[in-house]
Amino acid sequence: EVQLVESGGGLVQPGGSLRLSCVASGFSLANSWMNWVRQAPGQGLEWVAIIKEDGSEKIYMDSVKGRFIISRDNAKNSLYLQMTNLRVEDSAVYHCVRGLGWYFGLWGRGTLVTVSS
Amino acid sequence: DIVMTQSPDSLAVSLGERATINCKSSQSLLSSSDNKNYLAWHQHKPGQPPKLLIYWASTRYSGVPDRFTGSGSGTDFTLTISSLQAEDVAVYYCQQSHTAPLTFGGGTKVEIK
Repeated sequence: EVQLVESGGGLVQPGGSLRLSCVASGFSLANSWMNWVRQAPGQGLEWVAIIKEDGSEKIYMDSVKGRFIISRDNAKNSLYLQMTNLRVEDSAVYHCVRGLGWYFGLWGRGTLVTVSS
Repeated sequence: DIVMTQSPDSLAVSLGERATINCKSSQSLLSSSDNKNYLAWHQHKPGQPPKLLIYWASTRYSGVPDRFTGSGSGTDFTLTISSLQAEDVAVYYCQQSHTAPLTFGGGTKVEIK
């Protein structure tokens, strides 16, 4: 089955760190741009970051620049998001998304990140 | 940043009737290099991950029923569900892939009347 499965979410205090992982099955993500997209409780969808097939290009939304790092390991068919200096407003379900070019072609179910003291 | 504005916020439509959702972008999404509109529509059902329905404004993604039609160009776009089915109850989002940061509309909730 073609799918993306995220892990690594949880409860963390403001200023803390988390590393999200996403594993692809049923296909190779090496040929796709990959994204992280989040949805805060009761809110809409918000794109977070994108990484090129070979990892040579990365783009972030302004509010996470300098705090989040997107990376990939094509040999492990995996995508990552290292999140540091987390804020309450970063609380959300984080979805791993396979790109169709820069479109969002396949979504994972997501992992919940809660930033709270 | 390109701002995406959807309307209405919600709508209730009878089974078998037409549903129409509008999306307006603050800048043109038409690329001069390939003459394509970089606009997508996604469907998000409760408890499920979102799904891509339409890209390049009017191209249906693999497996999407033909009752879903995307149209428009430049800054004004429309998603039409020609004959609403019970399984179409969801929130629908437009999204631009023309310029980073990639941005979404606020969503339109579609329900059965």
